[in-house]
Amino acid sequence: GAVVSQHPSWVICKSGTSVKIECRSLDFQATTMFWYRQFPKQSLMLMATSNEGSKATYEQGVEKDKFLINHASLTLSTLTVTSAHPEDSSFYICSATRSRGGSPLHFGNGTRLTVT
Amino acid sequence: DAKTTQPNSMESNEEEPVHLPCNHSTISGTDYIHWYRQLPSQGPEYVIHGLTSNVNNRMASLAIAEDRKSSTLILHRATLRDAAVYYCILISGANSKLTFGKGITLSVRP
Repeated sequence: GAVVSQHPSWVICKSGTSVKIECRSLDFQATTMFWYRQFPKQSLMLMATSNEGSKATYEQGVEKDKFLINHASLTLSTLTVTSAHPEDSSFYICSATRSRGGSPLHFGNGTRLTVT
Repeated sequence: DAKTTQPNSMESNEEEPVHLPCNHSTISGTDYIHWYRQLPSQGPEYVIHGLTSNVNNRMASLAIAEDRKSSTLILHRATLRDAAVYYCILISGANSKLTFGKGITLSVRP
């Protein structure tokens, strides 16, 4: 089946530094990729929707200058958490889909970010 | 903001059927109904999806109301491995917009 690889699976960084998370669709071309954040024992929260070659659409309350999303190819999207602070510590997950609506979302295994 | 609504939690017994409901009263004609499940510290896993007709696959069945304002995920024989958070997610066939809520936590008793 379709595979989405997310890297790294966990990262610890110091406050004020930036962290980049990669999301790759390994065996299909993803027209759309999504980024989510999940705090402990809480539900998934959509951060942004990204279409290849165009600017990401951010959900209300998500700072686009803090969470930079790049979707430069049909198989790769990146999320950069800039100037990270302890409150950005969370589980970040991506998903990718071949087409709108009619195909499943394929999720990565998530990235656990801890900011010290 | 439109969301799908699900009960917070449900319990079932092992080897019994489980019906997980979802309300999506603001669904549009181009929205597909998807279900995913998530184990702790993992990304969600695809379960099933449909548009108008009921769907069956090896994991589950999806029953869609005639007016499409609600749906039910059916696990025919629950196992302990089915214990997870289940998300009902609408995905627009027009612009890929996602609509979902907090999910339902399914517990399975041995």
